[in-house]
Amino acid sequence: QVQLQESGPGLVKPSETLSLTCTVSGGSINSYRWTWMRQPPGKGLEWIGYIHNSGRTDYSPSLKTRVTMTLDTSKNQVSLKLSSATAADTAVYYCARESNTPGKTIFDYWGQGVLVTVSS
Amino acid sequence: DIQMTQSPSTLSASVGDRVTITCRASQSIGGWLAWYQQKAGKAPNLLIYKASSLESGVSSRFSGSGSGTEFTLTIGCLQPDDFATYYCQQYSTDPRTFGQGTKVEIK
Repeated sequence: QVQLQESGPGLVKPSETLSLTCTVSGGSINSYRWTWMRQPPGKGLEWIGYIHNSGRTDYSPSLKTRVTMTLDTSKNQVSLKLSSATAADTAVYYCARESNTPGKTIFDYWGQGVLVTVSS
Repeated sequence: DIQMTQSPSTLSASVGDRVTITCRASQSIGGWLAWYQQKAGKAPNLLIYKASSLESGVSSRFSGSGSGTEFTLTIGCLQPDDFATYYCQQYSTDPRTFGQGTKVEIK
């Protein structure tokens, strides 16, 4: 059974870089798009972007100047960095796997989410 | 980006009710639409994909329909476990986008 686990600091100061890691167990990270999403408290889901093991990335236009995603196949980990954090970046951050089944490229596995608060 | 709009934002219903949630896309997405259920403090859980295909293990109380720009999620006979927030999501193009969510609450 594939499992995803996000980890990282729960508190980040304004203007600093928010850094999170998603560790994948029970399956390979190859051949999938690994997506980061976030959900501000009481609000809806926002797609941040994805990385594929080929190295291809795609980021939300509203965040792309601040986002970097990397992938470490030796550790089965996917990382997210969001620079110049502000209070508006306070959210629960999720990593998710996008299925590669034709016609069903939905998010089939999710991490439990990690709350990151941006505050001094 | 394709905008996804759900209605209503909140729905008050009773156990046993049949409820319908609508999701509209700002442009045609064919049938590339998924529905997720999210409970408080949990990650979303897939219910429906390709607009009307029921995910394995999901109750047949849930059904989806639609194509193009208009879609619906129907819960046939609301159960206590169904009170949650529901999101539609298009996977026709990048960036993937979600509706703003519909909270189904107890009347």
